[in-house]
Amino acid sequence: DAKTTQPPSMDCAEGRAANLPCNHSTISGNEYVYWYRQIHSQGPQYIIHGLKNNETNEMASLIITEDRKSSTLILPHATLRDTAVYYCIVRPGTYKYIFGTGTRLKVLA
Amino acid sequence: GAVVSQHPSWVICKSGTSVKIECRSLDFQATTMFWYRQFPKQSLMLMATSNEGSKATYEQGVEKDKFLINHASLTLSTLTVTSAHPEDSSFYICSAAGTGDKGSYEQYFGPGTRLTVT
Repeated sequence: DAKTTQPPSMDCAEGRAANLPCNHSTISGNEYVYWYRQIHSQGPQYIIHGLKNNETNEMASLIITEDRKSSTLILPHATLRDTAVYYCIVRPGTYKYIFGTGTRLKVLA
Repeated sequence: GAVVSQHPSWVICKSGTSVKIECRSLDFQATTMFWYRQFPKQSLMLMATSNEGSKATYEQGVEKDKFLINHASLTLSTLTVTSAHPEDSSFYICSAAGTGDKGSYEQYFGPGTRLTVT
């Protein structure tokens, strides 16, 4: 299973864009990149996912490099409610998710 | 989006007793459900994969006789912690796998159950 590497923590000013990187250099061709976040003492919340192309939804944008070895989750206008742990997951064909340590994002007022 | 519920949201039990946690997919049928455990300030650890109508598949190091999983229907999976001990105190989270809007198969998570064993 492909492993992901994320910085342990990041700060972002409220209203600014938060760019969260993820390295997944061993990803294989049919593996999707998923992003979830977990607000304290809650279950993970789905944010976005992609295979090759960049993706955007109402919550965020996902930029995947052309070689697919890394990706960046962008929260365009971070709010205090975006403070959470963000997990980047590469999903193998078995649908199993292996969670890494994630990035603890703190949005500052 | 798909909704997954868990019950109870928190439970306190005495050492040696058993506790059952329910996980339900409310608006879709889930042939596969997953159970995770999370200790404070740590990531989610997958415990087992549960398929409707068949035995669960446990991850290495997870005691299947201690953590009993039953997936009797397409909308309900249960986790029973048998003979609970204080070290079983943790946050237990389930997820249900379903087909998302792009046709890819993804997991939808429940809100979690906090278990405290005294």
